[in-house]
Amino acid sequence: DTEVTQTPKHLVMGMTNKKSLKCEQHMGHRAMYWYKQKAKKPPELMFVYSYEKLSINESVPSRFSPECPNSSLLNLHLHALQPEDSALYLCASSQGTSGQETQYFGPGTRLLVL
Amino acid sequence: RKEVEQDPGPFNVPEGATVAFNCTYSNSASQSFFWYRQDCRKEPKLLMSVYSSGNEDGRFTAQLNRASQYISLLIRDSKLSDSATYLCVVKTSGGYQKVTFGTGTKLQVIP
Repeated sequence: DTEVTQTPKHLVMGMTNKKSLKCEQHMGHRAMYWYKQKAKKPPELMFVYSYEKLSINESVPSRFSPECPNSSLLNLHLHALQPEDSALYLCASSQGTSGQETQYFGPGTRLLVL
Repeated sequence: RKEVEQDPGPFNVPEGATVAFNCTYSNSASQSFFWYRQDCRKEPKLLMSVYSSGNEDGRFTAQLNRASQYISLLIRDSKLSDSATYLCVVKTSGGYQKVTFGTGTKLQVIP
């Protein structure tokens, strides 16, 4: 099973809303990632969790708050977003973070901020 | 200079053609390299890892040139189903792991 699942598939929210994106994998991977992808652009790394600890935050604004409750789950809490935050949010996981480990991507959550 | 650069294309090729993409990277400390494909409105999926000695998987061949800091992907006998955006991914391992995607090269295989 090489599946990473993400919910919801689509999300529309206002700038004052609070919402959360969820990601789950059952491959025993110890590294999980959040990416943001705008149309016709490559994915941009936001956060990396390694062994349930935040190891990389790519200078992401605090209105995005990641959380890793356990090794299988990764959440992204959203609050006071801006319309320019509308994008596809991709979660990925890998065995670890060093070497030639493959990242497996979830289908993404398509977010629209109004 | 961008950290990872690709020709955005599009590359429009007829079925059966051979097509090659290059990807250049600027960080000489980069250690791991991958090619992903991404279909429209879908997530990226791993096509193949790129090893120092080069590797082949069916119609796909990947090469790494560390001296010139580029990786390449060769697709032989193109199929309509190969139409997608091909993303090169460069990972810098060690104390600070950084994963960077190239801008992607769009391939359109024409009947």
